[in-house]
Amino acid sequence: DIVLTQSPALAVSLGQRATISCRASQSVSISRYNLMHWYQQKPGQQPKLLIYRASNLASGIPARFSGSGSGTDFTLTINPVQADDIATYYCQQSRESPPTFGGGTKLELK
Amino acid sequence: EVQLVESGGGLVQPGRSLKLSCLASGFTFSNYGMNWIRQAPGKGLEWVASISSSSSYIYYADTVKGRFTISRDNAKNTLYLQMTSLRSEDTALYYCARQGIHTMGITAYFDYWGQGVMVTVSS
Repeated sequence: DIVLTQSPALAVSLGQRATISCRASQSVSISRYNLMHWYQQKPGQQPKLLIYRASNLASGIPARFSGSGSGTDFTLTINPVQADDIATYYCQQSRESPPTFGGGTKLELK
Repeated sequence: EVQLVESGGGLVQPGRSLKLSCLASGFTFSNYGMNWIRQAPGKGLEWVASISSSSSYIYYADTVKGRFTISRDNAKNTLYLQMTSLRSEDTALYYCARQGIHTMGITAYFDYWGQGVMVTVSS
């Protein structure tokens, strides 16, 4: 299985940039397609898709969220961070079955 | 509006069975692959099973293979998860999730999730 590694937590100030990283144990890219996706989960809520295929904003997601990366290294950027963005963020790969998730990065206020 | 509403959870003893349902609305259910994903209390996300739109392709996580069965009834817009031989490690919030429309190949991302249904396996 492809293992995705995320830092457990990140502290950020409101209005600043947050950069959340995800590293895969092997490449999750096929040709020009980067099969990494990002989700936001707030306490007591279901996960919400933010970014699909590394850099595509999901429907209804604000433009302050963006994604980048290829191969094994991917980044979710939130700029500027708002109070409503305090949540846990998960990456997920769909390069190989089974689909796997990172352990999550909890975004906290500094 | 896409809605996925899970039901059927509860407290069950180890070794017993339980069947979860997920009622879908707001989209053409029969056009989409569907998935079950679970989250143990305080833990991360674990994909459990997937089923293609016509039930032709079904996949399971190794942790549930042989014990869980995913199925769907497109006429009823409903996804199911039959769980047997339940173990304490199956205790989790179970989410129903729709396959993303830009999915490539057999492995999906998930564009809509239900609110989840809790399954607790304990004596």
